[in-house]
Amino acid sequence: TQLLEQSPQFLSIQEGENLTVYCNSSSVFSSLQWYRQEPGEGPVLLVTVVTGGEVKKLKRLTFQFGDARKDSSLHITAAQPGDTGLYLCAGVSQGGATNKLIFGTGTLLAVQP
Amino acid sequence: NAGVTQTPKFQVLKTGQSMTLQCAQDMNHEYMSWYRQDPGMGLRLIHYSVGAGITDQGEVPNGYNVSRSTTEDFPLRLLSAAPSQTSVYFCASSQGAKLFFGSGTQLSVL
Repeated sequence: TQLLEQSPQFLSIQEGENLTVYCNSSSVFSSLQWYRQEPGEGPVLLVTVVTGGEVKKLKRLTFQFGDARKDSSLHITAAQPGDTGLYLCAGVSQGGATNKLIFGTGTLLAVQP
Repeated sequence: NAGVTQTPKFQVLKTGQSMTLQCAQDMNHEYMSWYRQDPGMGLRLIHYSVGAGITDQGEVPNGYNVSRSTTEDFPLRLLSAAPSQTSVYFCASSQGAKLFFGSGTQLSVL
């Protein structure tokens, strides 16, 4: 069974701080996605990374796919209370169907004003 | 746009009871899936369907049945609920690798 481990599991920071969330696996993925989930709602796709070493930016969020396509990171600059939520990484295994995702364990972020 | 609609939002069952979680999408997506979400375990795939009349098992299918008679609907049935099935259930449809999720059903089995 392929696993995607996220760290940290919980993170509580003050507004304006920077943070990094990690998503690690021993398996290679053909692509990796990041979702954000707010209380009482389903996850919403933030970004998809496909190429090893790829970096994508979404405003204050920077996503990186590891060179070996086994890991990824999400960096948030100057966090705001609106960034609060559960962040999930999800990978598509090599040779697998593009819509059969393996989800990570999640990182719960709380940004205090 | 409604997207993916799940009902009910909340449900409490007694052990042994049966129920159906409803899921409907209006985006004409061929692929639909059901996940359960438990603390510290992320989302785990229960069943999925690549089109009307075609279903297959995911990672944790035991205790659940599905059918796909139309492109729009993908209900999830619990035949005899168990406390281990207490969870939040999400239905999703997808276009390629981009999943669109419903808002979830919080199920408690006593």
